[in-house]
Amino acid sequence: EIVMTQSPATLSVSPGDRATLSCRASQSVSSRLAWYQQKPGQSPRLLIYGASTRATAIPARFSGSGSGTEFTLTISSLQSEDFALYYCQHYNGWPLTFGGGTKVEIK
Amino acid sequence: EVQLLESGGGLVQPGGSLRLSCAASGFTFSIYGIYWVRQAPGEGLEWVSAIGGPTPNTHYADSVKGRFTISRDNSKNTVYLQMNSLRADDTAVYYCAKRGPEFYLESWGQGTRVTVSS
Repeated sequence: EIVMTQSPATLSVSPGDRATLSCRASQSVSSRLAWYQQKPGQSPRLLIYGASTRATAIPARFSGSGSGTEFTLTISSLQSEDFALYYCQHYNGWPLTFGGGTKVEIK
Repeated sequence: EVQLLESGGGLVQPGGSLRLSCAASGFTFSIYGIYWVRQAPGEGLEWVSAIGGPTPNTHYADSVKGRFTISRDNSKNTVYLQMNSLRADDTAVYYCAKRGPEFYLESWGQGTRVTVSS
């Protein structure tokens, strides 16, 4: 099983600032990496797939990068609606696994 | 618009069974894989099971293998998750999700809550 590790667990950021979230895979997943956003009381929403491709209707301030075992989700200028939980997930074989999540909170 | 609606959750005693349903609309259901993912209270996301579209291969997390069974009825645009021998650690919100062109989870339902307790 591929273990996905996200860091930090909590990120405190001021509105308008940049947020950088990390995700590491225990073995290479190529570019088969997705990012999801989850707000309290809501279901997750796909942000990024293929490590760097934004999903439909996702604002350009969200960007993904990386390949192999190291990945980054960057939110270029945090808006109030971006304070949420973020999960990475590999899809390079079974079982699919998620990272533990990064909570982006208001500083 | 893709819509996924889960149902069938509730309170069940340890050792009991439940069948969850995921009713889909807004896309050609038969050609897309569907996943179940769960989230225990205050915890992260855990993939549970998957079923393919054109070829309905099935996959399970080790934590549910042998206890849960996923199936689909393309005539009803519905995927089921039969959950047997339920344990307290199966308590979670269960989401169904539509697979994208690759194996990521493109669209999610709102979830159904399962509580296993005596």
